[in-house]
Amino acid sequence: DGGITQSPKYLFRKEGQNVTLSCEQNLNHDAMYWYRQDPGQGLRLIYYSQIVNDFQKGDIAEGYSVSREKKESFPLTVTSAQKNPTAFYLCASTGPSYEQYFGPGTRLTVT
Amino acid sequence: KQEVTQIPAALSVPEGENLVLNCSFTDSAIYNLQWFRQDPGKGLTSLLLIQSSQREQTSGRLNASLDKSSGRSTLYIAASQPGDSATYLCAVNGNFNKFYFGSGTKLNVKP
Repeated sequence: DGGITQSPKYLFRKEGQNVTLSCEQNLNHDAMYWYRQDPGQGLRLIYYSQIVNDFQKGDIAEGYSVSREKKESFPLTVTSAQKNPTAFYLCASTGPSYEQYFGPGTRLTVT
Repeated sequence: KQEVTQIPAALSVPEGENLVLNCSFTDSAIYNLQWFRQDPGKGLTSLLLIQSSQREQTSGRLNASLDKSSGRSTLYIAASQPGDSATYLCAVNGNFNKFYFGSGTKLNVKP
């Protein structure tokens, strides 16, 4: 089955530690995205990548970093510089019709 | 910057009722608009995608319309069921394949 996988589903970290969230897709999509969702709010764009080895900052990129070394993979690192990292993180991709497909999400809790 | 607003924020209806969810956006220069469903703690599931040249799309009991000139879209749900209870989000695709999301309408369909 084609789709987007995110791991882990739940992640707990201590303040001051960097953490990497995984996102993998087998849809052969060029564009991939990372969003953050806080309770009762819509999605806010962190980073996006239109093609391998290229990515752009979204609206809330501070404290986050990404890489795009393979078409299938777009990992997100939440660094210690992110002041309020506890949130629900969603990865997405788009194909030729520009329809977005989402993964199941990772809930990150930092204490 | 594109702003997307969804009204109402929450809606509670008895089973069997027809209902309309609203989405408005400030910049009419969009490529497409997509409606999603999100269950608690889950990722987003695509419901309908409307390209900018289209006026409406239908899937089963769902019908979405788009009026670009007025910056509005509606999602019509016919004969609502308890299984329709979820949060519904709309997203517009603006320039450079960036998506802007509303904060969603939380729907509760009572048996």
